[in-house]
Amino acid sequence: DTGVSQNPRHKITKRGQNVTFRCDPISEHNRLYWYRQTLGQGPEFLTYFQNEAQLEKSRLLSDRFSAERPKGSFSTLEIQRTEQGDSAMYLCASSGTRVGELFFGEGSRLTVL
Amino acid sequence: GESVGLHLPTLSVQEGDNSIINCAYSNSASDYFIWYKQESGKGPQFIIDIRSNMDKRQGQRVTVLLNKTVKHLSLQIAATQPGDSAVYFCAENRSYGGSQGNLIFGKGTKLSVKP
Repeated sequence: DTGVSQNPRHKITKRGQNVTFRCDPISEHNRLYWYRQTLGQGPEFLTYFQNEAQLEKSRLLSDRFSAERPKGSFSTLEIQRTEQGDSAMYLCASSGTRVGELFFGEGSRLTVL
Repeated sequence: GESVGLHLPTLSVQEGDNSIINCAYSNSASDYFIWYKQESGKGPQFIIDIRSNMDKRQGQRVTVLLNKTVKHLSLQIAATQPGDSAVYFCAENRSYGGSQGNLIFGKGTKLSVKP
């Protein structure tokens, strides 16, 4: 257990529905990241927060995706009007002062039918 | 048809042997490299990192080698154990000290350890 908690662990939804994932990072970490991972691939960067500020967004993050970290603690990732191509594992990670040492949660698996 | 990416490179080693996992990177501007281990059903776990001003770095039972001339990175695991069975990813960062959010992960290598 890395100390990063993600909920729900699994989500099955119908195409067109909205879904929201929550991430609780390690409490003293001010950096929080969202990645997406599909079968047989490495994680792909989606977005990054330092405290409550969203500092980077990948081109993968279409306008259907929105992430927030309102008080610099937990974060949410919402996907609107889900598509089958959104099916993936959504990984959250946090880090402290050591660049590159990300602590990942166990992920939230999304299946869009 | 066949889906590229579902077939990870694999490495099978005997317990107790040394393992070497290789990774090539494409961007010569990358200045920071990290190895992650991912066990089935879990998120990736940090193993070791190396900056571009170094050629070698050692940890506990692991060594990372960086060859910037040919843009190649390797992870050596000494005395491989069954618990080392996992998928190993190399990752690169292109702006150490600046923007730190975007790690670029490779496709991964699946290590299987035979008892």
